[in-house]
Amino acid sequence: GQQVMQIPQYQHVQEGEDFTTYCNSSTTLSNIQWYKQRPGGHPVFLIQLVKSGEVKKQKRLTFQFGEAKKNSSLHITATQTTDVGTYFCAGPYGGSNYKLTFGKGTLLTVNP
Amino acid sequence: ETGVTQTPRHLVMGMTNKKSLKCEQHLGHNAMYWYKQSAKKPLELMFVYNFKEQTENNSVPSRFSPECPNSSHLFLHLHTLQPEDSALYLCASSALGGGNEKLFFGSGTQLSVL
Repeated sequence: GQQVMQIPQYQHVQEGEDFTTYCNSSTTLSNIQWYKQRPGGHPVFLIQLVKSGEVKKQKRLTFQFGEAKKNSSLHITATQTTDVGTYFCAGPYGGSNYKLTFGKGTLLTVNP
Repeated sequence: ETGVTQTPRHLVMGMTNKKSLKCEQHLGHNAMYWYKQSAKKPLELMFVYNFKEQTENNSVPSRFSPECPNSSHLFLHLHTLQPEDSALYLCASSALGGGNEKLFFGSGTQLSVL
């Protein structure tokens, strides 16, 4: 079945440093979604990427979708303590857009 | 507030108990989901209901029984669970169609099976 791998599993940074998490799928994806889960919270949708090579920005967050639509990345510039949490990527499988396979996530901690 | 409400927030039950988790969405969505989140494992899709019809049962043991009486309410009935079923159970909803099936999650029920 489809697998979605995320690296790194954990990342600890000093406040102000940059952070990147990478997501790789074993199959070509029609789209990829990113979610953030704060400690003790629930996943919250961040963004969806659909087009090959697509780049989207949300303030200090930059999301990329690979040309082959099998990988994606999330880059945070100048991290802040509010960025702490686990970042998940997810891609649809089984020919439907609503059945998502999630990666294990990258837990980001930020030292103030 | 995400528009998806789950109760209870925490649940401790013995292996012989029967309990139910409840989810309600106020977003007008037509699909609802149950996900299981365990430590060190990815989010696992358990069940999907599309317009009240169950369209996915992801090889979930029969001790988990979903119920979707209408497009706004979703239940997960639990009986004779095992300690390994302890996890965070998340309900989610989405609006199907249009290619933007992003999930809105509830706050989850943290379940402990003793």
